[in-house]
Amino acid sequence: TQLLEQSPQFLSIQEGENLTVYCNSSSVFSSLQWYRQEPGEGPVLLVTVVTGGEVKKLKRLTFQFGDARKDSSLHITAAQPGDTGLYLCAGASNTGKLIFGQGTTLQVKP
Amino acid sequence: GAGVSQSPRYKVAKRGQDVALRCDPISGHVSLFWYQQALGQGPEFLTYFQNEAQLDKSGLPSDRFFAERPEGSVSTLKIQRTQQEDSAVYLCASSFGSGGRSNQPQHFGDGTRLSIL
Repeated sequence: TQLLEQSPQFLSIQEGENLTVYCNSSSVFSSLQWYRQEPGEGPVLLVTVVTGGEVKKLKRLTFQFGDARKDSSLHITAAQPGDTGLYLCAGASNTGKLIFGQGTTLQVKP
Repeated sequence: GAGVSQSPRYKVAKRGQDVALRCDPISGHVSLFWYQQALGQGPEFLTYFQNEAQLDKSGLPSDRFFAERPEGSVSTLKIQRTQQEDSAVYLCASSFGSGGRSNQPQHFGDGTRLSIL
C-alpha cells in the first residue's frame, strides 16, 4: 500500500515567518502534486513535480521533489495571512488516482 | 459552467436512508474520480471512471457504496442504508486524459458535505 506521511499536521505562525511542509513516502511515485484547499471548497492544484531533484517556484512558494521521487517539500517564504489553508501533497499512481497525505493546516496570523 | 459541479452542496440524512450525490465533470474530460474527505484530513480515493467504464472501485468502503457514469459524463455516487461513519465531504474530480497519464491535473468540485444523523 502506498502511503504519504505529511508533517507537520498543524502550523500556526506569524506573518512574515518562513515555513516548510514535508511529504514522505516509502514508495516511488511517477509524479507528486501539491494542492491548497480552503474551507468549503475543493483542492486547487498548485504544482506538479515529475523529475527527481526537481525544484519549482511559484512566487513565495518553493517545491522540491526528492532525488528518489519518494519525498517532497513545500517551503513558503515570508508567509502572509492569505496563505492560510489546508496544504495537501498527493502522489499519482500509474492508474491516475491520487494518494493524499493527511494534510497540513496552516494558520498565518497578521 | 467551466468547472466541476457537485450537487447538493449539503445533504443531511437520517441513519438508514439512501442518498445520491451528483457530479458534473468538465465537458470533454475522460477521467472522473470520487474521493471521501474527513474533517481536517486528506481526501481518500473511492473510485475511478474512464468514460463510462468503472476501472477501479478499490476504495469503496463497503457494498453499500455504488457509483455509476452511464453516458460517460455525469456521475452519481449512491450510498445505501447510510451510517454515521459515512458523514464526510465527498469530492469529485475530473481530468482530460485517461488515468494512465498520471501527470494530468485533476480538477476538483467543491464537494458535497454529507451529515448522517
